[in-house]
Amino acid sequence: DVVLTQSPLSLPVTLGQPASISCRSSQSLVYSDGNTFLHWFQLRPGQSPRRLIYQTSKRDSGVPDRFSGSGSGTDFTLKISRVEAEDVGVYYCMQGTYWPPTFGGGTKVEIK
Amino acid sequence: EVQLLEAGGGLVRPGGSLRLSCAASGFIFSSYDMSWIRQAPGKGLEWVSVITGSGGGTNYADSVKGRFTISRDNSKKTVYLQMNSLRVDDTAVYYCVKDFNWGDSPWGQGTLVTVSS
Repeated sequence: DVVLTQSPLSLPVTLGQPASISCRSSQSLVYSDGNTFLHWFQLRPGQSPRRLIYQTSKRDSGVPDRFSGSGSGTDFTLKISRVEAEDVGVYYCMQGTYWPPTFGGGTKVEIK
Repeated sequence: EVQLLEAGGGLVRPGGSLRLSCAASGFIFSSYDMSWIRQAPGKGLEWVSVITGSGGGTNYADSVKGRFTISRDNSKKTVYLQMNSLRVDDTAVYYCVKDFNWGDSPWGQGTLVTVSS
């Protein structure tokens, strides 16, 4: 199975400051059709998971533009340009290029 | 608007069975793969199973293979997860998800399955 390694495990951030989460894959996530199926999810306490970014950099409907995704091949990044209080939670990357789909171990974002 | 409504969770003893359902609306149901993904208490996310739009193809995580069966009824716009031989480590909130690799894929509220004696 494809292993996704997220870092850091925990990310204390100051409100209004940027934050960045890394996701590294054990193999390239480029599919045979050229698409890269690497996605980012947000889990806020007491809420259902919410996908923020799909296919590396496409923002889901309703997701604030302070969230952005980038990367290619095996290295990917989720960035929050200015962290707000509502961004507290755990963030997961997920790959859908290979079966079975797999998730990273998660990064907990908290306010300093 | 895509909406998914999971149901069927509950408390069951180890070795028991449960059938989850997920009612979909807001999209052409038969055109999309549907997956079940779960989150155990205090743990991360785990993909469980997928079924193709026609229902002709299925796939399972190794952890549930041989115990869980995914199916769908396109006339009812519903996907199911039959869970047999349940174990304590199957305890989780189960979510159904529309084609997670493409756009317009919101999650429902999930349904909690608790396996305990």
